[in-house]
Amino acid sequence: NAGVTQTPKFQVLKTGQSMTLQCAQDMNHNSMYWYRQDPGMGLRLIYYSASEGTTDKGEVPNGYNVSRLNKREFSLRLESAAPSQTSVYFCASRGRQGTEAFFGQGTRLTVV
Amino acid sequence: GQQVMQIPQYQHVQEGEDFTTYCNSSTTLSNIQWYKQRPGGHPVFLIQLVKSGEVKKQKRLTFQFGEAKKNSSLHITATQTTDVGTYFCAGPREGGGNKLTFGTGTQLKVEL
Repeated sequence: NAGVTQTPKFQVLKTGQSMTLQCAQDMNHNSMYWYRQDPGMGLRLIYYSASEGTTDKGEVPNGYNVSRLNKREFSLRLESAAPSQTSVYFCASRGRQGTEAFFGQGTRLTVV
Repeated sequence: GQQVMQIPQYQHVQEGEDFTTYCNSSTTLSNIQWYKQRPGGHPVFLIQLVKSGEVKKQKRLTFQFGEAKKNSSLHITATQTTDVGTYFCAGPREGGGNKLTFGTGTQLKVEL
């Protein structure tokens, strides 16, 4: 049971480049999340998906797009990377409300 | 908007000393969860509290949920080096749905 799998683990981008972070879960969860983690700021929600085909903005959605094409996969896209998007990104999933969230290993992104 | 703050942001203790982190929400929470993130790792679920005034224990860890369901605490008795990491509280994001809002986190360092 792999849980939540995120790729890549590390990435360096130049300002203006684009990239997609991939996330897949094998726990049959409806809810999936993308968070970014910055020192002193905790985990901030970028986007949320309640089910296949639905997405909703979180606290810090600007500069990002997401896609939930099926129940397993939830991708995060940076169309034009900026240095302010340097961060550690975590994908998570969980079942119904009130259950625990499971996190991927994280992607450490640096934008230069 | 909803804010979940934790204090302190950092805490250094000597091994064997006690440690407490406090979580305060600007809104009433139906439940609160606690997660631990080891250095370089991803958040891992510890526990969930649901009832007003609830207290739960896990070995040396004691979790409390405030009477007004707006605050919570995590107390570690006699810290060990294995307790090192960042502790996050998390609660349902206001507005409904299955969104999860995380606190700002408390980073614990334990020195021998």
